[in-house]
Amino acid sequence: NAGVTQTPKFQVLKTGQSMTLQCAQDMNHEYMSWYRQDPGMGLRLIHYSVGAGITDQGEVPNGYNVSRSTTEDFPLRLLSAAPSQTSVYFCASSYSASSYNSPLHFGNGTRLTVT
Amino acid sequence: EDQVTQSPEALRLQEGESSSLNCSYTVSGLRGLFWYRQDPGKGPEFLFTLYSAGEEKEKERLKATLTKKESFLHITAPKPEDSATYLCAGGYGGSQGNLIFGKGTKLSVKP
Repeated sequence: NAGVTQTPKFQVLKTGQSMTLQCAQDMNHEYMSWYRQDPGMGLRLIHYSVGAGITDQGEVPNGYNVSRSTTEDFPLRLLSAAPSQTSVYFCASSYSASSYNSPLHFGNGTRLTVT
Repeated sequence: EDQVTQSPEALRLQEGESSSLNCSYTVSGLRGLFWYRQDPGKGPEFLFTLYSAGEEKEKERLKATLTKKESFLHITAPKPEDSATYLCAGGYGGSQGNLIFGKGTKLSVKP
């Protein structure tokens, strides 16, 4: 049981480049989400999905796109990378989107540097 | 604005020296209070969920408690392997998308 798998683990981009961070879960979880974690700040929600075909914006969505065509996958796209997007990105999933009875399961993160 | 505030930012303990971490939260609308542990280079790992004031949960050397304004993570006789950053999060509203995380407390336990 792999849980939540994120790729790549590390990435360096130049300003203006685009890329996709991959996230896959094998637990048949309904809810998936993307967070960014910056020094001195709590985890901040970028986008989330309550099921295949349904996505919504979180606290800091600008500069990022998501889609959810399958239950398992939830890729995060950086459209035109900026130095302010240098961060560690975590994907998280949960069995239920609407109940706090099921906790979030996190991947091990992608460390992104934009130069 | 809903908020979750953790203190202290960092805590250094000697092995066996018990202590507590604090998480204060905006009172109105809280539907769940979560504790996670995060090791360096890893994603957060779930520890506990608390739903109502007076509730307590335990796991090995950790005990989480909840009052009407704050939650405590008590660490009894800690060991070096308890060293990690501990995150708390408040669940507001009807969706996991309404979780608000604190900035965390970095715990170091020296042998």
